[in-house]
Amino acid sequence: GAVVSQHPSRVICKSGTSVKIECRSLDFQATTMFWYRQFPKQSLMLMATSNEGSKATYEQGVEKDKFLINHASLTLSTLTVTSAHPEDSSFYICSARMAGVSNQPQHFGDGTRLSIL
Amino acid sequence: AQKVTQAQTEISVVEKEDVTLDCVYETRDTTYYLFWYKQPPSGELVFLIRRNSFDEQNEISGRYSWNFQKSTSSFNFTITASQVVDSAVYFCALSEDYYNTDKLIFGTGTRLQVFP
Repeated sequence: GAVVSQHPSRVICKSGTSVKIECRSLDFQATTMFWYRQFPKQSLMLMATSNEGSKATYEQGVEKDKFLINHASLTLSTLTVTSAHPEDSSFYICSARMAGVSNQPQHFGDGTRLSIL
Repeated sequence: AQKVTQAQTEISVVEKEDVTLDCVYETRDTTYYLFWYKQPPSGELVFLIRRNSFDEQNEISGRYSWNFQKSTSSFNFTITASQVVDSAVYFCALSEDYYNTDKLIFGTGTRLQVFP
């Protein structure tokens, strides 16, 4: 089945560091990828929709300059948390939808647990 | 506006018991998809089922079954003869974009604990 790989799975870093998270579709092309954020014991909230070759679409309340998204190819989207602070600590999870095929469900990565000290 | 409500925050059962997880949704669209995902302690999201709004047939997959009732806007999930490995958080989700299944709206999740 369709596989989405997310890297790294866990990051612990100091406040002020920028952190890049990669989301790769391993066996299919994805024109659209999605980035979600999940606080402990809470639901997943969509942050942004990443479109290959164009600017990402951010959900209301999500800072574009804080969460930089790049979708440079049909198999890779990256989320960079710039100048991360403790309040950015969260579980970030991406998903991808197969390109060119209608009616396809999203396939999720394994998530990245980000801890900012 | 679209919304998914999972009123049960946590459920605890003993192994071999049957358990039903409730999901109620709100949407103004006539075409939409409903989903269930499982999130074990390791964090990844495991896709369980997708059901479109035109298909009200109940579905059974092994110990899992789903009851879709448009009249009550519910899409409940039952695990029969629960096992310890079923312990996880289960999310119900709604997508209103019929052709692209974009923008999943998740419920708040139900944490299921199955004790031996």
